[in-house]
Amino acid sequence: GENVEQHPSTLSVQEGDSAVIKCTYSDSASNYFPWYKQELGKRPQLIIDIRSNVGEKKDQRIAVTLNKTAKHFSLHITETQPEDSAVYFCAASPRGGADGLTFGKGTHLIIQP
Amino acid sequence: KAGVTQTPRYLIKTRGQQVTLSCSPISGHRSVSWYQQTPGQGLQFLFEYFSETQRNKGNFPGRFSGRQFSNSRSEMNVSTLELGDSALYLCASSWQQGDQETQYFGPGTRLLVL
Repeated sequence: GENVEQHPSTLSVQEGDSAVIKCTYSDSASNYFPWYKQELGKRPQLIIDIRSNVGEKKDQRIAVTLNKTAKHFSLHITETQPEDSAVYFCAASPRGGADGLTFGKGTHLIIQP
Repeated sequence: KAGVTQTPRYLIKTRGQQVTLSCSPISGHRSVSWYQQTPGQGLQFLFEYFSETQRNKGNFPGRFSGRQFSNSRSEMNVSTLELGDSALYLCASSWQQGDQETQYFGPGTRLLVL
């Protein structure tokens, strides 16, 4: 089955700086890669996703890049703000929800004022 | 549209008991997936239902089961509870048509087994 590794487990950045979280996956059949943000005590919320037919996707301060050859994808957050502090999860799936999402262990992002 | 809802939100049970959790998907969504979230193991896929049929199952013992009704609402059941079953149980719904597989999570049911 699919295996997703996520790094780092904790990331502390100064407010206004950029943050990058990296994930690798093992199943070359995976073609859907969402990122979720989970604040303490709340549900995971989708912040951006990418499918294997594109290499990059951007939504305001958030971007995701995908390298299918190397089987890795990354989340980039620019101009970080205090409200970006949360745990971020990457995930991969060969058929979206049908096979279930395989999640990374999560990255605790801390924005220092 | 209303989001995914789950009931109950909190539950305390003792070892050996069984529990049933409920999930109502976003209106129009036909797929419901269940996940277990623990500090040690993170988010793990339990199973997915589509049109009342279980399409896929994760690596959990047979004590974990589920079903889906004709209105797409889903329930999951855990029998003979163990201490290690203490977790946040999340369900997620998606449309599952074409590339509309984006999953939206409910608030979860926090289960504590004593």
